[in-house]
Amino acid sequence: GAVVSQHPSRVICKSGTSVKIECRSLDFQATTMFWYRQFPKQSLMLMATSNEGSKATYEQGVEKDKFLINHASLTLSTLTVTSAHPEDSSFYICSARDRTRVHEQYFGPGTRLTVT
Amino acid sequence: KQEVTQIPAALSVPEGENLVLNCSFTDSAIYNLQWFRQDPGKGLTSLLLIQSSQREQTSGRLNASLDKSSGRSTLYIAASQPGDSATYLCAVKIPGNQFYFGTGTSLTVIP
Repeated sequence: GAVVSQHPSRVICKSGTSVKIECRSLDFQATTMFWYRQFPKQSLMLMATSNEGSKATYEQGVEKDKFLINHASLTLSTLTVTSAHPEDSSFYICSARDRTRVHEQYFGPGTRLTVT
Repeated sequence: KQEVTQIPAALSVPEGENLVLNCSFTDSAIYNLQWFRQDPGKGLTSLLLIQSSQREQTSGRLNASLDKSSGRSTLYIAASQPGDSATYLCAVKIPGNQFYFGTGTSLTVIP
């Protein structure tokens, strides 16, 4: 089956630094990837939609200058949390849409970010 | 805006019991509804997907139903096992491929 990986699985960074999270589709091409955030004991909230070769679309309330998304290839999207603060600590999950099966989405295992 | 609610928020049952998890959504204009399982600190595992034109889907001990007109779905788990302990999320997909997730039900099956 289709596999989506995320790297790293866990990251701890200091306040004020930036951290990059990668989302890769391993055995399919994804023209669209989605980034979600999940706070403790809450559900997943869509942050942004990443389209290969174009700018990402951000959901209301998500700062595009803080959460930089780059989707430079059909198998890789990156989310960079810039100038991280403790309130950015969360579980970040990506999903990828198979370009040949546009109604299929596959989720990554998530990245746990802790900002100290 | 689509809102997805799950009841109960938490459920604890003895092993072997049958149980039902509920999901409701406010806008019936959905493309499909999907039930996921999430283990602590882990990603999502897809359990069942029901297209908007379907009424139910079954996989092993799991059965999911969908009543689009009333904005409801249920996930039925038969003969629960301790390994079923996890958080169960329902999510509706709207045209445009965006998912709206429910708040989740945390299930504990007691041996």
